[in-house]
Amino acid sequence: SAVISQKPSRDICQRGTSLTIQCQVDSQVTMMFWYRQQPGQSLTLIATANQGSEATYESGFVIDKFPISRPNLTFSTLTVSNMSPEDSSIYLCSVLLLAETYEQYFGPGTRLTVT
Amino acid sequence: LAKTTQPISMDSYEGQEVNITCSHNNIATNDYITWYQQFPSQGPRFIIQGYKTKVTNEVASLFIPADRKSSTLSLPRVSLSDTAVYYCLGGINRLAFGKGNQVVVIP
Repeated sequence: SAVISQKPSRDICQRGTSLTIQCQVDSQVTMMFWYRQQPGQSLTLIATANQGSEATYESGFVIDKFPISRPNLTFSTLTVSNMSPEDSSIYLCSVLLLAETYEQYFGPGTRLTVT
Repeated sequence: LAKTTQPISMDSYEGQEVNITCSHNNIATNDYITWYQQFPSQGPRFIIQGYKTKVTNEVASLFIPADRKSSTLSLPRVSLSDTAVYYCLGGINRLAFGKGNQVVVIP
Protein backbone atom coordinates (compact mmCIF):
# COMPACT_ATOMS: atom_id res chain seq x y z
CA SER A 1 0.00 0.00 0.00
CA ALA A 2 0.95 3.68 -0.02
CA VAL A 3 0.68 6.41 2.58
CA ILE A 4 -0.89 9.53 1.10
CA SER A 5 -1.29 12.87 2.83
CA GLN A 6 -3.18 15.95 1.75
CA LYS A 7 -2.94 19.55 2.84
CA PRO A 8 -5.02 21.30 3.95
CA SER A 9 -7.45 18.82 5.44
CA ARG A 10 -10.18 21.42 5.25
CA ASP A 11 -10.66 25.08 4.46
CA ILE A 12 -13.34 27.71 4.23
CA CYS A 13 -12.79 30.16 1.40
CA GLN A 14 -14.53 33.18 -0.04
CA ARG A 15 -15.94 33.11 -3.52
CA GLY A 16 -13.62 34.45 -6.20
CA THR A 17 -10.47 33.26 -4.44
CA SER A 18 -8.30 30.23 -5.24
CA LEU A 19 -7.07 27.34 -3.12
CA THR A 20 -4.18 24.99 -3.81
CA ILE A 21 -4.40 21.47 -2.41
CA GLN A 22 -1.26 19.39 -1.98
CA CYS A 23 -0.94 15.63 -2.25
CA GLN A 24 2.19 13.84 -1.01
CA VAL A 25 2.91 10.11 -1.42
CA ASP A 26 5.50 8.18 0.56
CA SER A 27 6.80 6.35 -2.51
CA GLN A 28 7.27 7.04 -6.19
CA VAL A 29 4.17 6.30 -8.22
CA THR A 30 3.56 6.58 -11.91
CA MET A 31 -0.11 7.49 -11.92
CA MET A 32 -1.85 10.05 -9.71
CA PHE A 33 -5.42 11.25 -9.97
CA TRP A 34 -7.65 13.95 -8.56
CA TYR A 35 -11.30 13.34 -7.72
CA ARG A 36 -14.12 15.48 -6.45
CA GLN A 37 -16.88 14.24 -4.15
CA GLN A 38 -19.80 16.58 -3.68
CA PRO A 39 -21.90 16.25 -0.53
CA GLY A 40 -23.79 12.96 -0.48
CA GLN A 41 -22.51 11.98 -3.91
CA SER A 42 -20.07 9.52 -5.41
CA LEU A 43 -16.59 10.37 -6.61
CA THR A 44 -16.03 12.10 -9.95
CA LEU A 45 -12.67 11.98 -11.65
CA ILE A 46 -11.30 15.44 -12.40
CA ALA A 47 -8.00 14.62 -14.08
CA THR A 48 -4.93 12.45 -14.29
CA ALA A 49 -1.83 14.26 -13.04
CA ASN A 50 1.02 13.48 -15.43
CA GLN A 51 4.61 13.91 -14.35
CA GLY A 52 6.47 16.23 -16.67
CA SER A 53 3.51 17.10 -18.86
CA GLU A 54 0.08 18.69 -18.74
CA ALA A 55 -2.66 16.93 -16.83
CA THR A 56 -5.34 14.99 -18.70
CA TYR A 57 -8.77 16.35 -17.84
CA GLU A 58 -12.09 14.54 -17.88
CA SER A 59 -15.13 15.91 -19.65
CA GLY A 60 -16.52 18.90 -17.79
CA PHE A 61 -13.25 19.91 -16.16
CA VAL A 62 -10.81 22.43 -17.63
CA ILE A 63 -7.28 23.50 -16.87
CA ASP A 64 -8.17 27.14 -16.25
CA LYS A 65 -10.51 26.15 -13.42
CA PHE A 66 -8.48 23.24 -12.01
CA PRO A 67 -4.79 23.70 -12.81
CA ILE A 68 -2.69 20.73 -11.73
CA SER A 69 1.01 20.38 -11.19
CA ARG A 70 3.06 17.17 -10.93
CA PRO A 71 6.70 18.15 -10.48
CA ASN A 72 7.88 14.66 -9.46
CA LEU A 73 6.68 11.11 -8.82
CA THR A 74 5.66 11.72 -5.20
CA PHE A 75 3.86 15.05 -5.26
CA SER A 76 1.00 16.85 -6.98
CA THR A 77 -1.13 19.94 -6.46
CA LEU A 78 -4.65 20.80 -7.52
CA THR A 79 -5.79 24.42 -7.56
CA VAL A 80 -9.45 25.32 -7.45
CA SER A 81 -9.59 28.73 -9.13
CA ASN A 82 -12.08 31.56 -8.89
CA MET A 83 -14.18 29.57 -6.48
CA SER A 84 -17.94 29.64 -6.19
CA PRO A 85 -20.21 27.88 -3.66
CA GLU A 86 -20.74 25.10 -6.24
CA ASP A 87 -17.08 24.15 -5.74
CA SER A 88 -17.77 23.14 -2.15
CA SER A 89 -16.74 19.50 -2.14
CA ILE A 90 -14.22 17.03 -0.87
CA TYR A 91 -11.21 16.81 -3.14
CA LEU A 92 -9.24 13.56 -3.08
CA CYS A 93 -6.03 12.45 -4.66
CA SER A 94 -5.32 8.84 -5.45
CA VAL A 95 -2.46 6.76 -6.78
CA LEU A 96 -2.03 3.49 -8.62
CA LEU A 97 0.62 1.12 -7.34
CA LEU A 98 0.03 -1.54 -9.97
CA ALA A 99 -1.04 -0.26 -13.38
CA GLU A 100 -2.12 -3.74 -14.46
CA THR A 101 -4.87 -4.08 -11.86
CA TYR A 102 -5.86 -0.43 -11.31
CA GLU A 103 -5.85 -0.85 -7.55
CA GLN A 104 -6.10 2.69 -6.19
CA TYR A 105 -5.07 4.18 -2.87
CA PHE A 106 -6.66 7.40 -1.73
CA GLY A 107 -5.63 10.32 0.38
CA PRO A 108 -7.82 11.45 3.28
CA GLY A 109 -9.36 14.25 1.24
CA THR A 110 -9.60 18.02 1.54
CA ARG A 111 -12.98 19.38 2.57
CA LEU A 112 -13.55 22.73 0.88
CA THR A 113 -16.38 25.09 1.76
CA VAL A 114 -16.89 28.19 -0.35
CA THR A 115 -18.96 30.99 1.11
CA LEU B 1 -18.30 2.95 -21.89
CA ALA B 2 -18.52 0.10 -19.47
CA LYS B 3 -20.66 0.96 -16.50
CA THR B 4 -21.21 -0.59 -13.11
CA THR B 5 -24.59 -0.59 -11.43
CA GLN B 6 -25.34 -1.30 -7.78
CA PRO B 7 -28.35 -1.16 -5.49
CA ILE B 8 -28.50 2.05 -3.49
CA SER B 9 -28.92 1.15 0.17
CA MET B 10 -29.41 -1.77 2.51
CA ASP B 11 -29.71 -2.38 6.22
CA SER B 12 -28.38 -5.39 8.08
CA TYR B 13 -28.18 -6.58 11.67
CA GLU B 14 -24.92 -7.17 13.44
CA GLY B 15 -23.56 -10.65 12.92
CA GLN B 16 -25.32 -11.22 9.62
CA GLU B 17 -23.66 -11.84 6.30
CA VAL B 18 -24.09 -9.01 3.80
CA ASN B 19 -23.92 -9.59 0.07
CA ILE B 20 -23.76 -6.74 -2.42
CA THR B 21 -24.02 -7.45 -6.11
CA CYS B 22 -22.70 -5.23 -8.86
CA SER B 23 -23.33 -5.45 -12.60
CA HIS B 24 -20.40 -4.92 -14.96
CA ASN B 25 -21.62 -4.11 -18.43
CA ASN B 26 -19.13 -4.61 -21.24
CA ILE B 27 -16.23 -5.45 -18.96
CA ALA B 28 -13.10 -6.01 -21.01
CA THR B 29 -11.15 -9.26 -21.06
CA ASN B 30 -8.21 -7.87 -19.09
CA ASP B 31 -10.16 -5.77 -16.57
CA TYR B 32 -10.08 -6.55 -12.88
CA ILE B 33 -13.06 -6.01 -10.59
CA THR B 34 -12.28 -3.94 -7.52
CA TRP B 35 -14.31 -3.02 -4.45
CA TYR B 36 -13.77 -0.05 -2.16
CA GLN B 37 -15.19 0.93 1.21
CA GLN B 38 -15.70 4.54 2.24
CA PHE B 39 -16.43 5.78 5.74
CA PRO B 40 -17.74 9.31 6.31
CA SER B 41 -15.06 11.98 6.02
CA GLN B 42 -12.48 9.54 4.68
CA GLY B 43 -11.16 8.57 1.28
CA PRO B 44 -12.21 5.22 -0.22
CA ARG B 45 -10.27 2.23 1.02
CA PHE B 46 -9.38 -0.75 -1.16
CA ILE B 47 -11.11 -3.90 0.09
CA ILE B 48 -10.65 -6.66 -2.44
CA GLN B 49 -9.98 -7.30 -6.09
CA GLY B 50 -10.49 -10.25 -8.39
CA TYR B 51 -10.52 -11.37 -11.98
CA LYS B 52 -12.68 -14.48 -11.87
CA THR B 53 -14.10 -17.16 -9.53
CA LYS B 54 -13.61 -16.45 -5.84
CA VAL B 55 -11.17 -14.32 -3.89
CA THR B 56 -11.06 -14.13 -0.11
CA ASN B 57 -9.06 -11.98 2.27
CA GLU B 58 -9.32 -11.01 5.93
CA VAL B 59 -12.05 -8.48 5.21
CA ALA B 60 -14.34 -9.97 2.57
CA SER B 61 -14.95 -12.47 -0.20
CA LEU B 62 -15.52 -11.64 -3.82
CA PHE B 63 -17.45 -13.91 -6.15
CA ILE B 64 -17.17 -13.43 -9.90
CA PRO B 65 -19.10 -15.74 -12.24
CA ALA B 66 -17.60 -17.16 -15.39
CA ASP B 67 -19.15 -14.54 -17.67
CA ARG B 68 -17.77 -11.74 -15.41
CA LYS B 69 -20.82 -9.59 -16.01
CA SER B 70 -21.44 -9.26 -12.29
CA SER B 71 -19.65 -9.57 -8.98
CA THR B 72 -20.79 -10.10 -5.42
CA LEU B 73 -19.01 -8.73 -2.39
CA SER B 74 -19.65 -10.77 0.72
CA LEU B 75 -19.04 -9.34 4.19
CA PRO B 76 -19.20 -12.11 6.79
CA ARG B 77 -20.72 -11.35 10.20
CA VAL B 78 -20.90 -7.59 9.88
CA SER B 79 -20.35 -5.29 12.82
CA LEU B 80 -21.34 -1.68 13.40
CA SER B 81 -17.95 -0.60 12.05
CA ASP B 82 -18.85 -2.02 8.64
CA THR B 83 -21.40 0.76 8.15
CA ALA B 84 -20.07 2.48 5.05
CA VAL B 85 -20.60 3.06 1.36
CA TYR B 86 -19.28 0.28 -0.87
CA TYR B 87 -18.24 0.89 -4.47
CA CYS B 88 -17.47 -1.58 -7.22
CA LEU B 89 -15.24 -0.71 -10.16
CA GLY B 90 -14.55 -2.75 -13.25
CA GLY B 91 -14.88 -1.91 -16.87
CA ILE B 92 -13.43 0.09 -19.70
CA ASN B 93 -13.42 3.22 -17.56
CA ARG B 94 -11.41 1.75 -14.74
CA LEU B 95 -11.44 4.95 -12.74
CA ALA B 96 -15.20 5.59 -12.76
CA PHE B 97 -17.06 5.24 -9.48
CA GLY B 98 -20.75 4.40 -9.57
CA LYS B 99 -23.30 5.57 -7.05
CA GLY B 100 -22.21 3.03 -4.47
CA ASN B 101 -24.17 1.03 -1.95
CA GLN B 102 -24.83 2.37 1.54
CA VAL B 103 -24.72 -0.45 4.07
CA VAL B 104 -26.09 0.38 7.50
CA VAL B 105 -25.45 -2.15 10.24
CA ILE B 106 -28.05 -2.10 12.99
CA PRO B 107 -27.34 -3.28 16.55
